[in-house]
Amino acid sequence: GAVVSQHPSRVICKSGTSVKIECRSLDFQATTMFWYRQFPKQSLMLMATSNEGSKATYEQGVEKDKFLINHASLTLSTLTVTSAHPEDSSFYICSARQVHEQFFGPGTRLTVL
Amino acid sequence: GQSLEQPSEVTAVEGAIVQINCTYQTSGFYGLSWYQQHDGGAPTFLSYNALDGLEETGRFSSFLSRSDSYGYLLLQELQMKDSASYFCAVGVRNYGQNFVFGPGTRLSVLP
Repeated sequence: GAVVSQHPSRVICKSGTSVKIECRSLDFQATTMFWYRQFPKQSLMLMATSNEGSKATYEQGVEKDKFLINHASLTLSTLTVTSAHPEDSSFYICSARQVHEQFFGPGTRLTVL
Repeated sequence: GQSLEQPSEVTAVEGAIVQINCTYQTSGFYGLSWYQQHDGGAPTFLSYNALDGLEETGRFSSFLSRSDSYGYLLLQELQMKDSASYFCAVGVRNYGQNFVFGPGTRLSVLP
């Protein structure tokens, strides 16, 4: 199957700082990538759909100015959590769709102190 | 909007067969997927059904009834390593045809 990578896998930061998470499709081109957030023992919640060369589409309740998404190429999408706060601590997972399968990155565990 | 329902927990013993059900309400439905997620890991794809009927992949099978808005994942010959969370996800024709995930079912396989 296709491979999606994420970096970093784990990040700890102070409240008020910004954190950038990269998502790459390694062996296929993805015009669309998805960013999910997952809190402990909960399901994956779609935050936004990242479209190459255009603005991301955000789900209701997700602040676009806080979660900046850039899909600069067919293999790279980035999510920047700006001015992070402890309530932003979560598991952030990206995915890219190929036909009917969504391939997920390994996830980034963000802890905001 | 979309809504999906799954049992929150299922427990079974090694070697047994277990069925995890998923019911959904959605517009723009085009398929049902199943994903497995071990603690601390990312979801991995198990199966996809676009048409009614049973799809078999090794020990795992998945079923879909579009008229009943219902599907299930069947796991046979359970192994300890099958202990994980299982999510059904409906494909919807919206925002690049993303998948909406169910709440997940925690499967515990006992020796």
